[in-house]
Amino acid sequence: RKEVEQDPGPFNVPEGATVAFNCTYSNSASQSFFWYRQDCRKEPKLLMSVYSSGNEDGRFTAQLNRASQYISLLIRDSKLSDSATYLCVCIPGGSYIPTFGRGTSLIVHP
Amino acid sequence: DAGVIQSPRHEVTEMGQEVTLRCKPISGHDYLFWYRQTMMRGLELLIYFNNNVPIDDSGMPEDRFSAKMPNASFSTLKIQPSEPRDSAVYFCASSPVGGREKLFFGSGTQLSVL
Repeated sequence: RKEVEQDPGPFNVPEGATVAFNCTYSNSASQSFFWYRQDCRKEPKLLMSVYSSGNEDGRFTAQLNRASQYISLLIRDSKLSDSATYLCVCIPGGSYIPTFGRGTSLIVHP
Repeated sequence: DAGVIQSPRHEVTEMGQEVTLRCKPISGHDYLFWYRQTMMRGLELLIYFNNNVPIDDSGMPEDRFSAKMPNASFSTLKIQPSEPRDSAVYFCASSPVGGREKLFFGSGTQLSVL
Protein backbone atom coordinates (compact mmCIF):
# COMPACT_ATOMS: atom_id res chain seq x y z
CA ARG A 1 0.00 0.00 0.00
CA LYS A 2 1.33 3.42 -0.93
CA GLU A 3 1.95 5.83 1.93
CA VAL A 4 -0.32 8.47 0.43
CA GLU A 5 -3.19 7.55 -1.87
CA GLN A 6 -5.43 9.71 -3.98
CA ASP A 7 -8.11 9.06 -6.55
CA PRO A 8 -6.43 10.12 -9.81
CA GLY A 9 -9.73 11.26 -11.35
CA PRO A 10 -10.24 13.16 -13.51
CA PHE A 11 -13.03 14.97 -11.76
CA ASN A 12 -14.95 16.75 -14.49
CA VAL A 13 -17.24 19.48 -13.11
CA PRO A 14 -19.06 22.54 -14.46
CA GLU A 15 -18.19 26.05 -13.41
CA GLY A 16 -19.78 26.95 -10.11
CA ALA A 17 -19.87 23.41 -8.82
CA THR A 18 -18.56 22.25 -5.47
CA VAL A 19 -16.04 19.42 -5.61
CA ALA A 20 -14.20 17.50 -2.92
CA PHE A 21 -11.11 15.31 -2.97
CA ASN A 22 -9.91 12.91 -0.32
CA CYS A 23 -6.44 11.64 0.38
CA THR A 24 -5.63 8.72 2.67
CA TYR A 25 -2.33 8.19 4.44
CA SER A 26 -0.97 4.99 5.93
CA ASN A 27 1.49 6.34 8.50
CA SER A 28 -0.46 7.10 11.65
CA ALA A 29 2.53 9.12 12.90
CA SER A 30 2.03 11.68 10.14
CA GLN A 31 1.80 15.12 11.67
CA SER A 32 1.99 17.69 8.91
CA PHE A 33 -0.27 17.85 5.90
CA PHE A 34 -0.48 20.05 2.84
CA TRP A 35 -2.25 20.43 -0.48
CA TYR A 36 -0.20 21.44 -3.50
CA ARG A 37 -1.50 22.42 -6.90
CA GLN A 38 0.25 21.50 -10.13
CA ASP A 39 -0.69 22.96 -13.49
CA CYS A 40 0.04 21.04 -16.66
CA ARG A 41 3.77 20.99 -17.41
CA LYS A 42 4.51 23.19 -14.41
CA GLU A 43 6.03 22.69 -10.99
CA PRO A 44 3.92 21.98 -7.88
CA LYS A 45 3.05 25.00 -5.75
CA LEU A 46 1.72 25.10 -2.21
CA LEU A 47 -2.04 25.64 -2.11
CA MET A 48 -2.61 25.41 1.62
CA SER A 49 -1.57 23.72 4.82
CA VAL A 50 -4.03 21.47 6.63
CA TYR A 51 -4.59 22.11 10.31
CA SER A 52 -6.13 19.73 12.81
CA SER A 53 -9.16 21.95 13.32
CA GLY A 54 -9.68 22.43 9.60
CA ASN A 55 -8.98 25.64 7.75
CA GLU A 56 -10.39 27.76 5.01
CA ASP A 57 -8.82 30.01 2.39
CA GLY A 58 -11.44 31.71 0.27
CA ARG A 59 -13.23 29.05 -1.75
CA PHE A 60 -10.94 26.31 -0.47
CA THR A 61 -11.47 24.30 2.72
CA ALA A 62 -9.07 21.68 4.03
CA GLN A 63 -9.88 19.17 6.74
CA LEU A 64 -8.05 16.44 8.61
CA ASN A 65 -9.58 13.27 10.01
CA ARG A 66 -6.94 11.56 12.13
CA ALA A 67 -9.19 8.70 13.22
CA SER A 68 -9.76 7.61 9.64
CA GLN A 69 -6.37 8.85 8.42
CA TYR A 70 -7.47 11.07 5.60
CA ILE A 71 -7.40 14.70 4.59
CA SER A 72 -9.82 16.43 2.29
CA LEU A 73 -9.95 19.46 0.05
CA LEU A 74 -13.25 21.14 -0.79
CA ILE A 75 -13.49 23.68 -3.59
CA ARG A 76 -16.63 25.80 -3.76
CA ASP A 77 -17.84 27.78 -6.77
CA SER A 78 -15.32 26.15 -9.11
CA LYS A 79 -13.61 28.37 -11.68
CA LEU A 80 -12.11 27.39 -15.01
CA SER A 81 -8.76 28.40 -13.55
CA ASP A 82 -9.08 25.74 -10.84
CA SER A 83 -8.37 23.09 -13.47
CA ALA A 84 -5.15 21.43 -12.33
CA THR A 85 -3.81 18.44 -10.46
CA TYR A 86 -4.06 18.58 -6.68
CA LEU A 87 -1.35 16.80 -4.72
CA CYS A 88 -1.71 15.67 -1.15
CA VAL A 89 1.42 15.77 1.04
CA CYS A 90 2.07 14.10 4.40
CA ILE A 91 5.06 14.35 6.70
CA PRO A 92 5.60 11.87 9.53
CA GLY A 93 6.41 13.19 12.96
CA GLY A 94 10.13 13.71 13.47
CA SER A 95 10.75 13.68 9.74
CA TYR A 96 11.52 16.42 7.27
CA ILE A 97 10.61 14.32 4.27
CA PRO A 98 7.37 15.21 2.51
CA THR A 99 5.64 12.31 0.77
CA PHE A 100 3.45 13.25 -2.16
CA GLY A 101 0.37 11.49 -3.40
CA ARG A 102 0.08 10.95 -7.15
CA GLY A 103 -2.48 13.70 -7.43
CA THR A 104 -6.12 14.17 -8.38
CA SER A 105 -6.90 15.77 -11.70
CA LEU A 106 -9.66 18.40 -11.78
CA ILE A 107 -11.20 19.70 -14.99
CA VAL A 108 -13.65 22.57 -14.70
CA HIS A 109 -15.65 23.16 -17.89
CA PRO A 110 -17.91 26.04 -18.94
CA ASP B 1 13.94 36.61 -5.55
CA ALA B 2 14.71 34.43 -8.56
CA GLY B 3 13.35 31.28 -7.00
CA VAL B 4 14.82 27.83 -7.50
CA ILE B 5 16.62 27.66 -10.82
CA GLN B 6 17.06 24.42 -12.73
CA SER B 7 18.90 23.75 -15.94
CA PRO B 8 18.49 22.60 -18.57
CA ARG B 9 14.69 22.84 -19.04
CA HIS B 10 14.76 20.04 -21.59
CA GLU B 11 17.34 17.37 -22.23
CA VAL B 12 17.20 14.80 -25.00
CA THR B 13 19.95 12.23 -25.03
CA GLU B 14 20.72 8.76 -26.24
CA MET B 15 20.85 5.68 -24.09
CA GLY B 16 24.25 5.24 -22.49
CA GLN B 17 25.11 8.91 -22.37
CA GLU B 18 25.85 10.84 -19.19
CA VAL B 19 23.27 13.37 -18.09
CA THR B 20 23.84 16.15 -15.57
CA LEU B 21 20.98 18.17 -14.13
CA ARG B 22 21.67 21.36 -12.22
CA CYS B 23 19.91 23.24 -9.46
CA LYS B 24 20.42 26.54 -7.68
CA PRO B 25 18.30 26.74 -4.51
CA ILE B 26 16.90 29.88 -2.98
CA SER B 27 19.55 31.68 -0.96
CA GLY B 28 19.27 30.93 2.73
CA HIS B 29 17.37 27.67 2.32
CA ASP B 30 19.09 24.87 4.19
CA TYR B 31 17.21 21.96 2.63
CA LEU B 32 17.38 20.80 -0.97
CA PHE B 33 15.30 17.98 -2.43
CA TRP B 34 15.53 16.15 -5.76
CA TYR B 35 12.29 14.59 -7.02
CA ARG B 36 11.42 12.62 -10.12
CA GLN B 37 7.91 12.68 -11.59
CA THR B 38 6.37 10.17 -13.97
CA MET B 39 2.80 9.39 -14.91
CA MET B 40 3.06 5.91 -13.44
CA ARG B 41 4.72 6.71 -10.11
CA GLY B 42 3.97 10.37 -9.47
CA LEU B 43 6.50 12.45 -7.51
CA GLU B 44 9.23 10.34 -5.96
CA LEU B 45 11.88 11.69 -3.62
CA LEU B 46 15.34 10.72 -4.81
CA ILE B 47 17.59 12.41 -2.27
CA TYR B 48 17.66 15.38 0.06
CA PHE B 49 20.41 17.52 1.54
CA ASN B 50 20.60 19.55 4.73
CA ASN B 51 23.32 22.19 4.85
CA ASN B 52 24.95 20.62 1.78
CA VAL B 53 25.14 17.17 3.40
CA PRO B 54 23.18 14.26 1.87
CA ILE B 55 20.80 13.02 4.54
CA ASP B 56 18.69 10.38 2.81
CA ASP B 57 19.45 8.89 -0.59
CA SER B 58 17.30 5.80 -0.22
CA GLY B 59 15.16 6.95 -3.12
CA MET B 60 18.02 6.93 -5.61
CA PRO B 61 17.11 4.15 -8.04
CA GLU B 62 20.52 2.59 -8.43
CA ASP B 63 24.22 3.25 -8.72
CA ARG B 64 23.76 4.98 -12.04
CA PHE B 65 22.36 7.95 -10.13
CA SER B 66 24.50 10.28 -8.04
CA ALA B 67 23.92 13.69 -6.50
CA LYS B 68 26.24 16.29 -5.07
CA MET B 69 25.94 19.62 -3.33
CA PRO B 70 29.42 21.18 -3.27
CA ASN B 71 28.14 24.43 -1.76
CA ALA B 72 24.97 26.07 -0.52
CA SER B 73 24.08 27.51 -3.90
CA PHE B 74 24.52 24.57 -6.25
CA SER B 75 23.54 20.93 -6.62
CA THR B 76 23.81 18.39 -9.41
CA LEU B 77 22.05 15.14 -10.20
CA LYS B 78 23.98 12.88 -12.53
CA ILE B 79 22.85 9.80 -14.41
CA GLN B 80 25.55 7.64 -15.94
CA PRO B 81 24.81 5.72 -18.10
CA SER B 82 21.31 6.90 -18.89
CA GLU B 83 18.52 4.50 -19.89
CA PRO B 84 15.13 5.06 -21.54
CA ARG B 85 13.35 4.26 -18.26
CA ASP B 86 15.03 7.34 -16.74
CA SER B 87 12.82 9.54 -18.91
CA ALA B 88 10.84 11.76 -16.55
CA VAL B 89 10.59 15.28 -15.19
CA TYR B 90 13.19 15.95 -12.51
CA PHE B 91 12.37 18.64 -9.96
CA CYS B 92 14.61 20.33 -7.49
CA ALA B 93 13.02 22.00 -4.46
CA SER B 94 14.38 23.97 -1.54
CA SER B 95 13.03 24.94 1.85
CA PRO B 96 14.27 26.86 4.87
CA VAL B 97 13.17 24.18 7.35
CA GLY B 98 12.77 20.98 5.42
CA GLY B 99 9.43 19.62 4.30
CA ARG B 100 7.63 20.99 7.32
CA GLU B 101 7.26 24.29 5.61
CA LYS B 102 6.56 25.27 2.05
CA LEU B 103 8.69 23.64 -0.58
CA PHE B 104 9.75 25.91 -3.42
CA PHE B 105 10.10 23.96 -6.64
CA GLY B 106 12.13 24.77 -9.68
CA SER B 107 10.58 24.56 -13.12
CA GLY B 108 11.93 21.08 -13.63
CA THR B 109 14.03 19.35 -16.27
CA GLN B 110 12.18 17.25 -18.83
CA LEU B 111 14.54 14.38 -19.60
CA SER B 112 14.04 12.12 -22.61
CA VAL B 113 16.42 9.22 -23.09
CA LEU B 114 16.10 7.65 -26.53
